[in-house]
Amino acid sequence: KQEVTQIPAALSVPEGENLVLNCSFTDSAIYNLQWFRQDPGKGLTSLLLIQSSQREQTSGRLNASLDKSSGRSTLYIAASQPGDSATYLCAVAPYDQKLVFGQGTRLTINP
Amino acid sequence: DTAVSQTPKYLVTQMGNDKSIKCEQNLGHDTMYWYKQDSKKFLKIMFSYNNKELIINETVPNRFSPKSPDKAHLNLHINSLELGDSAVYFCASSQLHPPGWDRWEAEAFFGQGTRLTVV
Repeated sequence: KQEVTQIPAALSVPEGENLVLNCSFTDSAIYNLQWFRQDPGKGLTSLLLIQSSQREQTSGRLNASLDKSSGRSTLYIAASQPGDSATYLCAVAPYDQKLVFGQGTRLTINP
Repeated sequence: DTAVSQTPKYLVTQMGNDKSIKCEQNLGHDTMYWYKQDSKKFLKIMFSYNNKELIINETVPNRFSPKSPDKAHLNLHINSLELGDSAVYFCASSQLHPPGWDRWEAEAFFGQGTRLTVV
């Protein structure tokens, strides 16, 4: 059974810092991994999707890496801003696309 | 235009009532999903429909019945609501290609969620 763990559960950093969020999964038989952002009371916004054959994806200040063999992914946020404050969710997609989510990392960027 | 939209956004109802949540996607995707986010913020899949056919049905009480009138809509009907049904329900969609195609590119898009409170 696939399990996804995100560490840390919460993170608070001053504005301008670079930071890394971690995601680990137990079954490497995945088709892709997605990082989402969830703002309080709102839906999930897809940030990045990494295919199983890829090692990383970049979008603006965000860079996500994937090491399928070790069951790990990281989301790197450069030059953090207060607007980056949200909960970040990692989800892995097996063949049947039943996304399995981690519990999320609650990120607070302090001005 | 909102890609995946759900209505209502908030739903407060009494135990024992029957309610429905509607979902529509304008992305042209062939697969739609319902996820439940509990009080501990864990998101878990409930159902998935591909081209109006049920393909995933997790261990969900049969009081929950999804209905897909067409591939752009997936509604969730809940009978005899219980206190434990209180949660945020998310609709999502993605494009799944047949085996051999780029299934690994199937990015999922989510709606804004429906916060259901049963009192």
